[in-house]
Amino acid sequence: KAGVTQTPRYLIKTRGQQVTLSCSPISGHRSVSWYQQTPGQGLQFLFEYFSETQRNKGNFPGRFSGRQFSNSRSEMNVSTLELGDSALYLCASSLSTGAGTGELFFGEGSRLTVL
Amino acid sequence: GENVEQHPSTLSVQEGDSAVIKCTYSDSASNYFPWYKQELGKGPQLIIDIRSNVGEKKDQRIAVTLNKTAKHFSLHITETQPEDSAVYFCAAVDSSYKLIFGSGTRLLVRP
Repeated sequence: KAGVTQTPRYLIKTRGQQVTLSCSPISGHRSVSWYQQTPGQGLQFLFEYFSETQRNKGNFPGRFSGRQFSNSRSEMNVSTLELGDSALYLCASSLSTGAGTGELFFGEGSRLTVL
Repeated sequence: GENVEQHPSTLSVQEGDSAVIKCTYSDSASNYFPWYKQELGKGPQLIIDIRSNVGEKKDQRIAVTLNKTAKHFSLHITETQPEDSAVYFCAAVDSSYKLIFGSGTRLLVRP
């Protein structure tokens, strides 16, 4: 069974640009969560989608948004990039919604560098 | 909201020794505590978890203990091996069903 696939793996953007990251969950998984990982802040929850609906949201500004498609694939978008947005963005899929209801399966992440 | 503190930030042990990583949480309503291992260049992977109705759980060389009264939980790795070298994260589920992670522990097992 294929794991969680994230694209692109690496990307470089400049301040003010926007970026879209993609995540394909494990087949049959309907929940997709996004996390931002930085050396200083660790792993921080961005949002969770289940059946195309946002079920939960972390404490990030509105520049961070996401969506989920009918095939459970998800995208996250960051607009008006800032230097502090440089991070590893991790996607995780699970069978059911809500942390604590099941194991999260993480992808290898998309490493974003903002210059 | 939930706050999870993790110590130590780095841990170096000799192969064969034991390693212990400790976490504390703030929300007494938290009831699920997973541990994830992240190897270099990879995403975190669940290695063990525990729910609040259990005090201890073991899986081969790995064990987790939970003290609900003190609001802390620990990961114990016995007979460490070089392949145990990685970053380990504890986590707790907050009241709104978000997974809150600790800051991570970089474990180095010296051959």
